[in-house]
Amino acid sequence: GNSVTQMEGPVTLSEEAFLTINCTYTATGYPSLFWYVQYPGEGLQLLLKATKADDKGSNKGFEATYRKETTSFHLEKGSVQVSDSAVYFCAPSPGSSNTGKLIFGQGTTLQVKP
Amino acid sequence: DGGITQSPKYLFRKEGQNVTLSCEQNLNHDAMYWYRQDPGQGLRLIYYSQIVNDFQKGDIAEGYSVSREKKESFPLTVTSAQKNPTAFYLCASSIIQGAGNQPQHFGDGTRLSIL
Repeated sequence: GNSVTQMEGPVTLSEEAFLTINCTYTATGYPSLFWYVQYPGEGLQLLLKATKADDKGSNKGFEATYRKETTSFHLEKGSVQVSDSAVYFCAPSPGSSNTGKLIFGQGTTLQVKP
Repeated sequence: DGGITQSPKYLFRKEGQNVTLSCEQNLNHDAMYWYRQDPGQGLRLIYYSQIVNDFQKGDIAEGYSVSREKKESFPLTVTSAQKNPTAFYLCASSIIQGAGNQPQHFGDGTRLSIL
C-alpha cells in the first residue's frame, strides 16, 4: 500500500546549522511529492514540491530532490533560523490517484535554538 | 485574498451532542478534504469531495458526516457516535484537473474539545 516514513523528531539544532529531514515513501504509480510546514496552532502550508524524477523543489532556502531510485524526498536547508521551528510533513500524492489525495507522514518537529 | 476559512477556531462539545465545523473556500477549487490531527501525529483523512453533491469516505469516517451542497462549502459534523472527538481538524482544497500534481491548500484549523 501507499505509505511514507519520516525521521522521528524532535530534531534540535542551533541557529545556522545544516538541516536534513529524511523522507522515504511507497506509492503506486508515479507520485508527485510535497513538503508542508505547520507552525504552532496553524494549518499546513505548502513548502515545496516536485512532480517528476530528479526534479528539485525549493523555497525559502529549503530544497528537496525527487529520487525515484531510492523513493526518497529528503528536505534540506543549509542554515536554519529560529523562525524555521515548526513541524514538517512529507506527503506524496499517489500517481494512480486522480482524487488529489495525499499520504501524510507523522511529521518531524524541528526546534532551532538561538 | 483567496483562501480557506475554518470556523470556529475553538469548539467545545458536550456528551451526546453533534457539532458542525465550517469550511469555506473562495479559491474556486473543485475538491475539498477534511483531516483529523492528533497530538504528535500526522493527518488522517476523514472525508473528501471532488464535486458538488458527492463525497467519499476517507480512512476514519466513522462518527462523522459531511455535505457538499455548494462548491465553496464543505461542513463537517462530528456526531455523538464519535467517542473520541478531541483533536485538531483541518480542511483543505485543491483543483481537480491533474489532481495528482496539485498541492492542497489548508485552512487554519478548528480545535475541538470535550466538555
